[in-house]
Amino acid sequence: EPEVTQTPSHQVTQMGQEVILRCVPISNHLYFYWYRQILGQKVEFLVSFYNNEISEKSEIFDDQFSVERPDGSNFTLKIRSTKLEDSAMYFCASSVDFTNGELFFGEGSRLTVL
Amino acid sequence: SQKIEQNSEALNIQEGKTATLTCNYTNYSPAYLQWYRQDPGRGPVFLLLIRENEKEKRKERLKVTFDTTLKQSLFHITASQPADSATYLCALGAADKLIFGTGTRLQVFP
Repeated sequence: EPEVTQTPSHQVTQMGQEVILRCVPISNHLYFYWYRQILGQKVEFLVSFYNNEISEKSEIFDDQFSVERPDGSNFTLKIRSTKLEDSAMYFCASSVDFTNGELFFGEGSRLTVL
Repeated sequence: SQKIEQNSEALNIQEGKTATLTCNYTNYSPAYLQWYRQDPGRGPVFLLLIRENEKEKRKERLKVTFDTTLKQSLFHITASQPADSATYLCALGAADKLIFGTGTRLQVFP
């Protein structure tokens, strides 16, 4: 069964360092998303991406964050200068069509900022 | 402000009983509502979608209702099993994003 894959599964970094989280969405999907979940808290929307551009972003997704689809398969989230409060699980998701809704999530990348 | 509220307290029920989880929302007009299951340390897994013009949706032991007047969805698991123990998330479709509630942790005891 097709699945969304994410790497790395866990990354530890120092505050101020740049981090890139990678995702391979399901191949025929057109919409891509990043969510984050701070330990014990809810799943929070960061950004949605369609047709090679951001379609929606939350207030969390400030200038420190960027997304890119550098080739036909990868979808990346970059955090330029990490802060302690960026420590969270980051989930990538993809869907065929937004209005039909079902999101397929990856297993997440746990980011720990020291 | 916009809110999606789920029971923050864990729901503990005995195996074989029906579990009912609630999702209430304010200041949204969603075109649809979804329910997901999340196990510890894992990504959410889609369960059911119900549209604003649908009152009820069923899938095997799962049933979802959607009342746009009350701004509420109820999620039922009949004949619950210990394997149903997980956190259940409701999510609203709003523009090009899905917004999640806080989730309700369900624990089914044998």
